[in-house]
Amino acid sequence: QKEVEQNSGPLSVPEGAIASLNCTYSDRGSQSFFWYRQYSGKSPELIMFIYSNGDKEDGRFTAQLNKASQYVSLLIRDSQPSDSATYLCAVEQGYNFNKFYFGSGTKLNVKP
Amino acid sequence: GAVVSQHPSRVICKSGTSVKIECRSLDFQATTMFWYRQFPKQSLMLMATSNEGSKATYEQGVEKDKFLINHASLTLSTLTVTSAHPEDSSFYICSARHRMNTEAFFGQGTRLTVV
Repeated sequence: QKEVEQNSGPLSVPEGAIASLNCTYSDRGSQSFFWYRQYSGKSPELIMFIYSNGDKEDGRFTAQLNKASQYVSLLIRDSQPSDSATYLCAVEQGYNFNKFYFGSGTKLNVKP
Repeated sequence: GAVVSQHPSRVICKSGTSVKIECRSLDFQATTMFWYRQFPKQSLMLMATSNEGSKATYEQGVEKDKFLINHASLTLSTLTVTSAHPEDSSFYICSARHRMNTEAFFGQGTRLTVV
């Protein structure tokens, strides 16, 4: 499986701060990029996706993509304790039968 | 988001038996479904990808004769773990998407324990 890398953390931030989560990928042909959140023992749930270079904002979340650097990040503004979870970066790869590959996830702890 | 239903959520089976897991897209037609396995504190490992009406494409190292995948309709895919062994115990998760370059939605997952 093509590599998708994330810092495993844990990343600890105080409530109200900005959390910054990073992801790098090895396949330059990667087309689409997704951020999922996974609570312990549960399935991942989609936060947002990004296809084009630059920033994409959705509420408190901003995804940033830099294809030249093969880097995608997720910023969470005004972090809440309920944001504490593992954040998974997923990359869509392939030219005919596109597949999703996941990073190992970054565990985020938001302290009250 | 779209709803993907996975059943059962938990199953315990004896070593040597087979277990079938169902994945259904409830409110959209899933042209592609993915099956993942997740061991404790590890990430999701893609096992196979299937398109409706086609044979599944398995990732390297995944035994196609052990993990049988059927994607017979646009709303249903099944994963059968044959001749299960304790090392097959894991969290199995399906996801489904309508078309390329769109997000995939996940089922609730199935926790399989082989005793």
